[in-house]
Amino acid sequence: DSGVTQTPKHLITATGQRVTLRCSPRSGDLSVYWYQQSLDQGLQFLIQYYNGEERAKGNILERFSAQQFPDLHSELNLSSLELGDSALYFCASSEGTSGPDEQFFGPGTRLTVL
Amino acid sequence: AQSVSQHNHHVILSEAASLELGCNYSYGGTVNLFWYVQYPGQHLQLLLKYFSGDPLVKGIKGFEAEFIKSKFSFNLRKPSVQWSDTAEYFCAVNHQAGTALIFGKGTTLSVSS
Repeated sequence: DSGVTQTPKHLITATGQRVTLRCSPRSGDLSVYWYQQSLDQGLQFLIQYYNGEERAKGNILERFSAQQFPDLHSELNLSSLELGDSALYFCASSEGTSGPDEQFFGPGTRLTVL
Repeated sequence: AQSVSQHNHHVILSEAASLELGCNYSYGGTVNLFWYVQYPGQHLQLLLKYFSGDPLVKGIKGFEAEFIKSKFSFNLRKPSVQWSDTAEYFCAVNHQAGTALIFGKGTTLSVSS
């Protein structure tokens, strides 16, 4: 158990819908990262938050957005869903300090868009 | 842009065989290097990491990796694999602590008993 929790574990929805994925980082970690894992694209970085502020953006679509709340949990919002958004979405957290740090991954949310 | 290449897409070994998975990255500056493992149906777990110092890094479960700066490589090794090592292995890099990881496409390892 990495200490990072994600809910829900599975999500099945239809095209055009909107879903919210939730992540709680390890206690004390200030940085939260969202990654998407799909068969064709592999593991890709979407977005990072640090202590409530957006820090970096990767290959995140405009239909996707995220936020980090004062209690440091984060939510990833996916809207106008398409079949191609079906993937495993991982959240990771790290201390986010300037020293060497490692990212701890949650169990993921498997999203299926029908 | 940074990228990570894992040369082997699928490796099939018998128990007790030795393992070496290749990983090359493209980035000219200082990098932090990682190997993660994903067992079937589970999340990514860190096997080992390199930040600085001794280029030969030992990780969990008997795995080790060697950082060769001149070759931009960070290959993963294990002298004798077990059936329980069946999993997908990802090499990853970031250029600075606290930044996103760039992952390779992964290598699926299948170990037969």
